[in-house]
Amino acid sequence: QVQLQESGPGLMRPSETLSLTCAVSGFSFSSGYFWGWIRQPPGKGLEWIGNIYHNGNTYYNPSLKSRVTISLDTSKNQFSLKLSSVTAADTALYYCARQWGGSYGWFDPWGQGTLVTVSS
Amino acid sequence: DIQMTQSPSSLSASVGDKVTITCRASQSISSYLNWYQQKAGKAPKLLIYTASSLQSGVPSRFSGSGSGTDFTLTISSLQPEDFATYYCQQSYSNTRTFGQGTTVEIK
Repeated sequence: QVQLQESGPGLMRPSETLSLTCAVSGFSFSSGYFWGWIRQPPGKGLEWIGNIYHNGNTYYNPSLKSRVTISLDTSKNQFSLKLSSVTAADTALYYCARQWGGSYGWFDPWGQGTLVTVSS
Repeated sequence: DIQMTQSPSSLSASVGDKVTITCRASQSISSYLNWYQQKAGKAPKLLIYTASSLQSGVPSRFSGSGSGTDFTLTISSLQPEDFATYYCQQSYSNTRTFGQGTTVEIK
């Protein structure tokens, strides 16, 4: 059974770079597949951040593209998100998910999420 | 970007009611539309993929339909555990987008 677990700093200061990791268990990265990051500000809806495909291709939300980098570490069975120059608007619950069903696929399963708060 | 618009934003319903949630895309997305359920404090859970395919383990009272720009999620007989927020999401474009969500509340 595939399981995903996010980890991150919890609390950050404005202008810092957010780094999150999603550890994947029960599944081998060598099998391919696509992976994604989604966030949810407190009390608000879901916002897609970006995807990374097994060949390393990445796709990002245009509104975040200049600040986002998603990468794979197949040796550790994990993928990562970096978001630079964070502000209070980046305060959110950050989820990682596997994209199933190919390039037109859907997100399943999801991690439990990790809360990131940006505050001075 | 493809914009996804859900309606209504919220609704109140009783146990046993039939509930319908609509999702409209700003351009044709074929059948690349997925539905998720999110309960308070929990991660979203996949219900329906490619517009009408029921995810394994999801009760058959949930169904999805539509293609092109207009899609529907239907709960045939609302159960107490179905009170939650529902999101549509398009996977036609490499830049994914979600609808704003529909909250189903107890009447």
